[in-house]
Parts: sequence; C-alpha cells; structure tokens
Amino acid sequence: AQSVTQLDSQVPVFEEAPVELRCNYSSSVSVYLFWYVQYPNQGLQLLLKYLSGSTLVESINGFEAEFNKSQTSFHLRKPSVHISDTAEYFCAVRTYNQGGKLIFGQGTELSVKP
Amino acid sequence: KAGVTQTPRYLIKTRGQQVTLSCSPISGHRSVSWYQQTPGQGLQFLFEYFSETQRNKGNFPGRFSGRQFSNSRSEMNVSTLELGDSALYLCASSRDGDLGPETQYFGPGTRLLVL
Repeated sequence: AQSVTQLDSQVPVFEEAPVELRCNYSSSVSVYLFWYVQYPNQGLQLLLKYLSGSTLVESINGFEAEFNKSQTSFHLRKPSVHISDTAEYFCAVRTYNQGGKLIFGQGTELSVKP
Repeated sequence: KAGVTQTPRYLIKTRGQQVTLSCSPISGHRSVSWYQQTPGQGLQFLFEYFSETQRNKGNFPGRFSGRQFSNSRSEMNVSTLELGDSALYLCASSRDGDLGPETQYFGPGTRLLVL
C-alpha cells in the first residue's frame, strides 16, 4: 500500500520569503508524484508533477519540487512567495498499475502574510 | 476547452435519503475518478471509471456507487445518507496515454450537507 505524509499542517510565512512544503511518501513500487493546490471553495489545480526524467520539476508560477528517490521525498519550494499563494497544498502519489487512483497527503495550509 | 463540470454545486439532504451527483469530464477524457474531501479524513479515493467500467475502487461502503455513460459522463450515488457523508465530493477526469492515465483535472466539487 502507498501512503503520503505532509510533515507540516500549517506554514505561516511573510510575503517575499522563501518557503518549503515537505512531502514524504511510502511505496513498495514506483510512483508518479504530484502537487495540487486548492484555493478556498474551489477544486484542486495541478501545480506540478513528476512522471520520469529530470528529478527537478517546475511550475509556471515559480514553484519547484525535487524528487528524491533515496529519501522518498517530493518537497515543494518557492524562493519568494506572494499573498496570492495563500492556499492549501496537497502532495499525491499514483502507482503505475492502479489507473487513476491518487493517494493524497493531509494537506499543508500555506498562509502568506504581508 | 471546457473544464470538468459538476452538478449540483451545493446540496442539502436529510439522513436516510439518497443523492446523485453528476460529473461531466473534459472532452476527450475517458477516465473519471471520484474523491471525498472532509476536514477529518482529508481527500479519499472513492472509485474510478474508464470506458463505462469501474477500474478501481476505494474503501467505502456499498452505499457509495457510481456509473459511467457512453459519453464518459459519470454519476455517483449515495444511498441511506449518514451525517458523516457530509463532504465535498470532487470529480477528476484524465486521458489515458502510454503510461496509463495522464494528468487528472478536477472539477469544483459538490458540497453535500446531511442534516
């Protein structure tokens, strides 16, 4: 079975500061990795994904995540956050042989303060 | 291209009733998955349909069921509603590529309140 642990339930940070949201996973088979963001009263939006290839993946709005197989981690980082980044962030995994089934972490609430 | 749409957006039911939620995937997507989101349990996978067949199922009781139509639209049904079924129900759609299902795109969700 697979599991995902997001190590911080809440992360408060000041605007323009760097941030790291931590995600560890457990799986006996290879997985695909995802970060989704959820703004209040909305569905989930894909932020970035790791399927194969380069272990560093980037999104169009400045976030990046690095897949570390030995540490089974997929931490999300941004060098300088904006007020508009305030949202809940979910890390998720999917195995090769389980179709579209995503296993989510509990979420990290990022709060960016002016 | 239109995104994933879910209807209704909000729903209030009483215990013991049943409810049907609808999801229209992005055009060309044949995989539809359903998730339940609650503050206590987080996001949990309910089931996935592909080409009108259930491909995957989560650990929910038989009161939760679903189906998919030939146009890929999907419905989920919850019978004999319980208070604990109050949640945001999210639907996601994707295409299937060489590596299996590709990126899943989520709808805005249906918020169900059971009184």
